Amino acid sequence: NAGVTQTPKFQVLKTGQSMTLQCAQDMNHEYMSWYRQDPGMGLRLIHYSVGAGITDQGEVPNGYNVSRSTTEDFPLRLLSAAPSQTSVYFCASSYVGQTSYNYGYTFGSGTRLTVV
Amino acid sequence: GESVGLHLPTLSVQEGDNSIINCAYSNSASDYFIWYKQESGKGPQFIIDIRSNMDKRQGQRVTVLLNKTVKHLSLQIAATQPGDSAVYFCAEGPHMIKAAGNKLTFGGGTRVLVKP
Repeated sequence: NAGVTQTPKFQVLKTGQSMTLQCAQDMNHEYMSWYRQDPGMGLRLIHYSVGAGITDQGEVPNGYNVSRSTTEDFPLRLLSAAPSQTSVYFCASSYVGQTSYNYGYTFGSGTRLTVV
Repeated sequence: GESVGLHLPTLSVQEGDNSIINCAYSNSASDYFIWYKQESGKGPQFIIDIRSNMDKRQGQRVTVLLNKTVKHLSLQIAATQPGDSAVYFCAEGPHMIKAAGNKLTFGGGTRVLVKP
């Protein structure tokens, strides 16, 4: 299993540009989420999905869109990049299963985004 | 909102000594706790978890202790090695994942530096 794969690893955008951060997992995890990590702020939840076709907002959703057309993929779209979106972005997935026990997240390796 | 915090932002430890990383959580409804390790340039990696029906859980060289009375979590690393140098996060969440999803709340992190 590759786990959670994020692409690209690094990206520089100009203010106003749009782009999509890709996230794919091959573990058949139902739950997927996007976090941003900023110095002194910890990990903050942007959007999450409990399954294909279902998404919802997290703590800091403004300026981002998501969709979940398949179990495997959960792309994050930046609509019009702003310098405040400079951050490291992590995608995570979580197994649910029939018991609904929480087993925590598996994280991807992250995308380092700089908006100039 | 509810948050998970840490007492020490940086911990320096001599190679071979034991490390103890502390975490205070504020949401008394949380009943599932996780420790993650994040090495430079990488995504958080699951270390060990504990559910609220336990006070202690051991893994390979790591032990997590949970004190529900004072809402305190700790991670003990035995015989700390250079490869243990990283940032360690605690996280809290629900033991059972409901339809609303699996939202974990993360602490700010403690950096562990292992001195040779």
